[in-house]
Amino acid sequence: DAGVIQSPRHEVTEMGQEVTLRCKPISGHDYLFWYRQTMMRGLELLIYFNNNVPIDDSGMPEDRFSAKMPNASFSTLKIQPSEPRDSAVYFCASSLIFGDGANTGELFFGEGSRLTVL
Amino acid sequence: GDSVTQMEGPVTLSEEAFLTINCTYTATGYPSLFWYVQYPGEGLQLLLKATKADDKGSNKGFEATYRKETTSFHLEKGSVQVSDSAVYFCALSDLSGGYNKLIFGAGTRLAVHP
Repeated sequence: DAGVIQSPRHEVTEMGQEVTLRCKPISGHDYLFWYRQTMMRGLELLIYFNNNVPIDDSGMPEDRFSAKMPNASFSTLKIQPSEPRDSAVYFCASSLIFGDGANTGELFFGEGSRLTVL
Repeated sequence: GDSVTQMEGPVTLSEEAFLTINCTYTATGYPSLFWYVQYPGEGLQLLLKATKADDKGSNKGFEATYRKETTSFHLEKGSVQVSDSAVYFCALSDLSGGYNKLIFGAGTRLAVHP
């Protein structure tokens, strides 16, 4: 089975440009998460969806960040306009609320999108 | 709110040494506990988990026991290898509000030398 698929793997852009990161979760999973990882701040939860509905976006740093999940197999994280401090690795993860007959909460991560804003 | 605290790294060990990475948590209710591992250039992957008190999770020679009385979930391995060099994250599942999300610790970097 395919895992969580993210694109692009690497993106280098200039300050002020729009950035769109994409994620395809594992088929059948009903939760999708966007995380950001930096050396300074570690792993931060930005937003998560349940059944395509945003549940908690309190981790989204600013209005420049937005995320959508138009259907169960696709999500985007958009930064507009981008700034150098947005440089990070962005991870998408998906999960099932119920795993082995119990609510175990295991997340499956993509390989990440490394963003560099110059 | 719920939180996870891990020992700070980096942890540097020689091959075949014993490993302990401490993890404690605060939570309301009875969360599941996890250890995730991140190898260089990759995403996080589940290493082991425990869903209730006194459960022991194990995988690839790593073990951790869910200790409710000490609110801990320390990761151990009897003999580490160079290939174990990675960042290890402790996490708990937060079911507050009826929704499921993971809360991660800051991560502990492990470097194993030959």
